Amino acid sequence: DIQLTQSPSFLSASIGDRVTITCRASQGINSFLAWYQQKPGKGPKLLIYDASTLQSGVPSRFSGSRSGTEFTLTISSLQPEDFATYYCQQLNSYPFTFGPGTKVEIK
Amino acid sequence: EVQLVESGGGLVQPGGSLKLSCAASGFSFSVSAIHWVRQASGKGLEWIGRIRDKANNYATIYAASVKGRFTISRDDSKNTAYLQMNSLKIEDTAVYYCSRHDYGDYWGQGTLVTVSP
Repeated sequence: DIQLTQSPSFLSASIGDRVTITCRASQGINSFLAWYQQKPGKGPKLLIYDASTLQSGVPSRFSGSRSGTEFTLTISSLQPEDFATYYCQQLNSYPFTFGPGTKVEIK
Repeated sequence: EVQLVESGGGLVQPGGSLKLSCAASGFSFSVSAIHWVRQASGKGLEWIGRIRDKANNYATIYAASVKGRFTISRDDSKNTAYLQMNSLKIEDTAVYYCSRHDYGDYWGQGTLVTVSP
């Protein structure tokens, strides 16, 4: 199975900060990676797919990029509604594994 | 409006069975793949399986942790997917979500399954 690691696991940031979350795959997954946002008691929300394509309706402050097996989610200016947990997921091969998550909290 | 609504969760003893439903509306369910994902309390997301559409022969695939115990099915006439869970273990305790498509663009609110003596 493909393993995904995320860093950091926890992030404390202020409104307006630029935030970067990294997801590393244990082997090549092409660009078959998605990023999700999850708030307590809710199902995940798709933010980015194919590593860098913004899902319809998602604010443009969210962006994704890829360098080899390293993927990055960037929030250009953190807003109050962005405090949540973020997960990456690979869809290159089954099982479609998730990263362990990054919790973004208010500083 | 696209909606996925899970139901059927509850308390079950180890070794027991439970069948979850995922009722869909607002999109062409019959041509959509449906995935099931679970989340134990305070933990991360775990993908557990997927069913494809009729054109793809309703193909299913499962995570190793549930293979042989869980079965995903669907009834396109009812716009509903199912997760039959047998031989349940304490470690199957989680909120179970269904989602649409390989890239889960829509998710349900989840249904809680508790496996306890």
